[in-house]
Amino acid sequence: AQKITQTQPGMFVQEKEAVTLDCTYDTSDPSYGLFWYKQPSSGEMIFLIYQGSYDQQNATEGRYSLNFQKARKSANLVISASQLGDSAMYFCAMRAINDYKLSFGAGTTVTVRA
Amino acid sequence: GAVVSQHPSRVICKSGTSVKIECRSLDFQATTMFWYRQFPKKSLMLMATSNEGSKATYEQGVEKDKFLINHASLTLSTLTVTSAHPEDSSFYICSAESGTALRLETQYFGPGTRLLVL
Repeated sequence: AQKITQTQPGMFVQEKEAVTLDCTYDTSDPSYGLFWYKQPSSGEMIFLIYQGSYDQQNATEGRYSLNFQKARKSANLVISASQLGDSAMYFCAMRAINDYKLSFGAGTTVTVRA
Repeated sequence: GAVVSQHPSRVICKSGTSVKIECRSLDFQATTMFWYRQFPKKSLMLMATSNEGSKATYEQGVEKDKFLINHASLTLSTLTVTSAHPEDSSFYICSAESGTALRLETQYFGPGTRLLVL
C-alpha cells in the first residue's frame, strides 16, 4: 500500500515570491509516478506536474517544479513567482505501476497575499 | 487534453430520495472510471472503481447498495446515491483513464458534483 504525507495544512505566501509544498511518500513498489494537483474553490482537480520514479531529472512545468529526492522519498512542489490565482488547495498523489489506485495526501491550502 | 464532464454540477434533494450523477469522457474511451468523495477541506477518498461492462469494485467501508455504480459504456459511468440522507451530502468527483499503463495524466478528473441532502 502507498502512503502520502503532506505535513503543511496551510501556508501563506506573498505575491511574486516562491513557495515550497512538502510531500513525502512511502511505497514498496520500485516503479511509480508522483503527481501534484491544484484544487481551487470551484472544486475541479487541475493536474500540475508529474514525476516518474525512474526519471533522471526533476520535472518542471512553467512556474511549477518538482524537487524529487528518491532516497528521501520526497517530492516537494515549488511554485515560483506566486500569483493571486495560485490560492488553492494542493494535493500530492502517487500511483504505483501495478496499482490502479491514485493515493492522495491530505492537501495543503495555499493563500497568496497581495 | 482529455475532457471529463459531470452532471449535474450541483444538486439539492430531500432525504430519502435517490440521486444519479453522470460522468462522461468526452473525447476518449475510458476503460476505467473512478468515483471519489470529498468532504470540505479534506482529501479525496476513493469510493469505487468501475470498468466498462463489469461490476464496480468498492473500497472498504463503502456501501455498494447505497452507492450504485454503473459503467454502461466506454464513455459513461453513473453513480446513484440511493435513499440519500444528510450525511451523504458531499462533493463527488469522478475520474477516467483510457489505458492500464502508468502514464502522465493517466487519470482525467471531472469538475465534481456537490450534493446537498436536506
